[in-house]
Amino acid sequence: KQEVTQIPAALSVPEGENLVLNCSFTDSAIYNLQWFRQDPGKGLTSLLLIQSSQREQTSGRLNASLDKSSGRSTLYIAASQPGDSATYLCAVDDAGGTSYGKLTFGQGTILTVHP
Amino acid sequence: DGGITQSPKYLFRKEGQNVTLSCEQNLNHDAMYWYRQDPGQGLRLIYYSQIVNDFQKGDIAEGYSVSREKKESFPLTVTSAQKNPTAFYLCASMTGGDTEAFFGQGTRLTVV
Repeated sequence: KQEVTQIPAALSVPEGENLVLNCSFTDSAIYNLQWFRQDPGKGLTSLLLIQSSQREQTSGRLNASLDKSSGRSTLYIAASQPGDSATYLCAVDDAGGTSYGKLTFGQGTILTVHP
Repeated sequence: DGGITQSPKYLFRKEGQNVTLSCEQNLNHDAMYWYRQDPGQGLRLIYYSQIVNDFQKGDIAEGYSVSREKKESFPLTVTSAQKNPTAFYLCASMTGGDTEAFFGQGTRLTVV
């Protein structure tokens, strides 16, 4: 059974710092990996989707990489801002085919960016 | 605006009651999903549906039921058989394989 782990569980950084969030998964036969942001008491907002054939995706100050063979993904946030404070979740879809979208989530990294 | 609407935002259930959580999407997505989130844990899949009038159990379906009579609607009923229903419930939809999942704003269910 797929297991997803996120390290660290919590991270506190000063504004302006570049930072890396880590996600690892036990079964490398994934269909895709997605990074989400969750604000307290809210739903999830999709940040980046990396398909299995891709190595990385970029959106603004965010860059996500994927190494399927080692079962790892990283989310790089450049020049962090207080508004980046949230919980960041990674999820893998390892069903594919006719059972797509059955995501397995990590427990998240709680990020705090202080002014 | 296109999106997923969950209602109500907060729901209180008495012991032994069934309650229904609403999820509506106007994104024209084929697939819809229900997840449960507990403090300090990742989301866990309850049920999913990839086509109208068909749905499948996820990892923690016991004590829950769903229906998919319309493409845009996927209500979740939490039955009295669910022994620990207090949690944050999230509905999601996707247009197809290898695409982004879109989530609603969630319903917080509390047993009183």
